Amino acid sequence: AQKVTQAQTEISVVEKEDVTLDCVYETRDTTYYLFWYKQPPSGELVFLIRRNSFDEQNEISGRYSWNFQKSTSSFNFTITASQVVDSAVYFCALSEAGTGNQFYFGTGTSLTVIP
Amino acid sequence: DSGVTQTPKHLITATGQRVTLRCSPRSGDLSVYWYQQSLDQGLQFLIQYYNGEERAKGNILERFSAQQFPDLHSELNLSSLELGDSALYFCASSVGGGAHTGELFFGEGSRLTVL
Repeated sequence: AQKVTQAQTEISVVEKEDVTLDCVYETRDTTYYLFWYKQPPSGELVFLIRRNSFDEQNEISGRYSWNFQKSTSSFNFTITASQVVDSAVYFCALSEAGTGNQFYFGTGTSLTVIP
Repeated sequence: DSGVTQTPKHLITATGQRVTLRCSPRSGDLSVYWYQQSLDQGLQFLIQYYNGEERAKGNILERFSAQQFPDLHSELNLSSLELGDSALYFCASSVGGGAHTGELFFGEGSRLTVL
């Protein structure tokens, strides 16, 4: 079974629109960590955020914000006022304290921001 | 720049051949992870080493092997190559052995093309 599900395969938005990328995870551990990574067309994977399971506070970093809800096992990512440079594939990932070492990645959401 | 160095960046070879991909982790990081990213498979975890020892194994084929050396750099060996092995191979490093110690930092990847 998929531990991380990113149901949105591709999303297109027009520049300056807000967009939310969904991430649903599955775990039985009480201690776990969630991540978002960005993969621009150049190919490298860029770390965006790490969140542990005990911290449900939402986080905002500039135009980026993350909504962590344990009740729905979701860790959604919103980009406000999207820009062309936001075009990339975004991956959500989970790591469980129990297994300790594996990072489970979702299949990614390809975001295209149209100028 | 994540601080993780991978060589070569691009590699073209023929079926049946053997190649070695090299990774130097960020200074101070003890863990090295290898991932394979192909178009139809997403990011697949292959193997993790921590301070020279194998820590976790994912979907790594028997034709593939890896090791981490005393200086902490790692090599991924791919042998008897098949067309389906064409992919982007990522190395990532982290400070400790699991997500509780921090996030993964990825190299730029090695793009392998098997003809």
